[in-house]
Amino acid sequence: QQQVKQSPQSLIVQKGGIPIINCAYENTAFDYFPWYQQFPGKGPALLIAIRPDVSEKKEGRFTISFNKSAKQFSLHIMDSQPGDSATYFCAASSSGGSQGNLIFGKGTKLSVKP
Amino acid sequence: DGGITQSPKYLFRKEGQNVTLSCEQNLNHDAMYWYRQDPGQGLRLIYYSQIVNDFQKGDIAEGYSVSREKKESFPLTVTSAQKNPTAFYLCASSISVGRARYNEQFFGPGTRLTVL
Repeated sequence: QQQVKQSPQSLIVQKGGIPIINCAYENTAFDYFPWYQQFPGKGPALLIAIRPDVSEKKEGRFTISFNKSAKQFSLHIMDSQPGDSATYFCAASSSGGSQGNLIFGKGTKLSVKP
Repeated sequence: DGGITQSPKYLFRKEGQNVTLSCEQNLNHDAMYWYRQDPGQGLRLIYYSQIVNDFQKGDIAEGYSVSREKKESFPLTVTSAQKNPTAFYLCASSISVGRARYNEQFFGPGTRLTVL
């Protein structure tokens, strides 16, 4: 019940395409859903996060869609660029106590072809 | 210049040796974390600490040890008991689940450990 399932494992798109990465969870106590971007050999960087009181959040070319009833959330990258090629991780946590630890998906390696 | 620093960037160890990875933060964060990253495995939590002089085991604590004597520092020791220590190790910090409602974690640049 603590897992976050992320798909696909890898994704290749052409420049300008819209890659979509999906995550699903079971624990209804989760109330914070961040996405991290990681370039090879670097630490993950917080990209965007959503709370369950909204269904969508946009920051620049990155959008999170959230479906509370389906317990799913997705990352969309508009007008993708070769510089977006990285590994993306979704995560989830619940507020309060040790249950506040982040549970990470296994990651999606995105490659954007020029 | 605020952030999280990890050293060294690359570390080589012979089998049977203990080795200590450094993690320092100047963000005034209460909580600190150690993760291990292997290809295709995502990030797995080794240990975490929400306050000085206190820490808890994560999902894969066997073969590792930590200390938290100062708020800014959370070193990780990989002991000879860790059977497969070659991995990328990431340190993170957050304000704390007591002072902030959500666990917004910030990561350091990582240390790549290779056992020879």
